[in-house]
Amino acid sequence: GNSVTQMEGPVTLSEEAFLTINCTYTATGYPSLFWYVQYPGEGLQLLLKATKADDKGSNKGFEATYRKETTSFHLEKGSVQVSDSAVYFCVTKGGNTPLVFGKGTRLSVIA
Amino acid sequence: GAGVSQSPSNKVTEKGKDVELRCDPISGHTALYWYRQRLGQGLEFLIYFQGNSAPDKSGLPSDRFSAERTGESVSTLTIQRTQQEDSAVYLCASSLYGEKATEAFFGQGTRLTVV
Repeated sequence: GNSVTQMEGPVTLSEEAFLTINCTYTATGYPSLFWYVQYPGEGLQLLLKATKADDKGSNKGFEATYRKETTSFHLEKGSVQVSDSAVYFCVTKGGNTPLVFGKGTRLSVIA
Repeated sequence: GAGVSQSPSNKVTEKGKDVELRCDPISGHTALYWYRQRLGQGLEFLIYFQGNSAPDKSGLPSDRFSAERTGESVSTLTIQRTQQEDSAVYLCASSLYGEKATEAFFGQGTRLTVV
């Protein structure tokens, strides 16, 4: 079945630092890929998505590109803010399979 | 409703009791998921209702766990003879159903504590 491996946390960065959270996946066929975010005390929400190879998802300054050749979907942001502190989940979904979540990466941004 | 609604938001139960958790999906969403999130952990898949197809129950951890969904509406997750290791936040999500999945919307979860 599908699986996702993402960078172990926690990650602590200073404000305005560059962020990369690595994510690789295994799947049959051509899955859709997502990053979900869970802010402190809030529910899970979609951050960005890509549904086919070479697609770039972007939102709130975050970006991730669907790389079929490396089976990766790394999350990046050029300049993080304190308000980006959250847990980030890389997620894959293919065909009739359920959403498969990575273990999550906790990001803390300090001023 | 505007989003996925779960009830109760919190449930404290004694070990050995049965509990029922409810999920009201977004109207028109034919796909519905249940996940479990233990403290500080990732999301553990439990069950997936996918339109009119048979549900994918492959994530249910034991026969104490079961879930039902009536048509495209409410789903209930039942845990029988609860154990302390069942303590977690139980999350429900719904989405449109199709080959290229659209966004899944999550409820706020039910925090279950077994004492």
